[in-house]
Amino acid sequence: RKEVEQDPGPFNVPEGATVAFNCTYSNSASQSFFWYRQDCRKEPKLLMSVYSSGNEDGRFTAQLNRASQYISLLIRDSKLSDSATYLCAVNIEGRRALTFGSGTRLQVQP
Amino acid sequence: NAGVTQTPKFQVLKTGQSMTLQCAQDMNHNSMYWYRQDPGMGLRLIYYSASEGTTDKGEVPNGYNVSRLNKREFSLRLESAAPSQTSVYFCASSAQYSPNYGYTFGSGTRLTVV
Repeated sequence: RKEVEQDPGPFNVPEGATVAFNCTYSNSASQSFFWYRQDCRKEPKLLMSVYSSGNEDGRFTAQLNRASQYISLLIRDSKLSDSATYLCAVNIEGRRALTFGSGTRLQVQP
Repeated sequence: NAGVTQTPKFQVLKTGQSMTLQCAQDMNHNSMYWYRQDPGMGLRLIYYSASEGTTDKGEVPNGYNVSRLNKREFSLRLESAAPSQTSVYFCASSAQYSPNYGYTFGSGTRLTVV
């Protein structure tokens, strides 16, 4: 079983829709969490950190559920420009680098 | 501000050839990383350097070596390339190893081994 798992998608949604992705992690010692956005054939870019209290940045909301060991990313009012792959990343205690999921692909359609 | 610069952007190697992927950052970051990204596998850590003068193996280090030349530069060497090393390679840096710091990635090197 992978330590960080994501539904690969694609999630096909119309413009203006609300879409949510989850990312599950297996190691309960995971300490901090991030969402990255990766456009096709580009490098990942940090989208937002995920705090215990949740985190909101404009149309994007990230949540952490430690009891069920997953993080979520909610995108409201989807734009065509939101089409990308969204990677979650986890800092597992005792490791000195992030562990990444395989990503969830989002396609926003006109 | 260039951020993280990787060279080359593309490379084709024959099996058994060697090459070095270069990475440099100008953000005065302490920690640097090399990942490879394959379809369906996500980003997998090859090696990392928590600070200048130190390097450690990641999840998939076999077939690779690294050098942290100075604070700015972290290179990845393939001594004898194999088709299984066909991948996209990303270098990344972070200000320090801390749960609150994200990574800045370079634009990647697309390597094909034939």
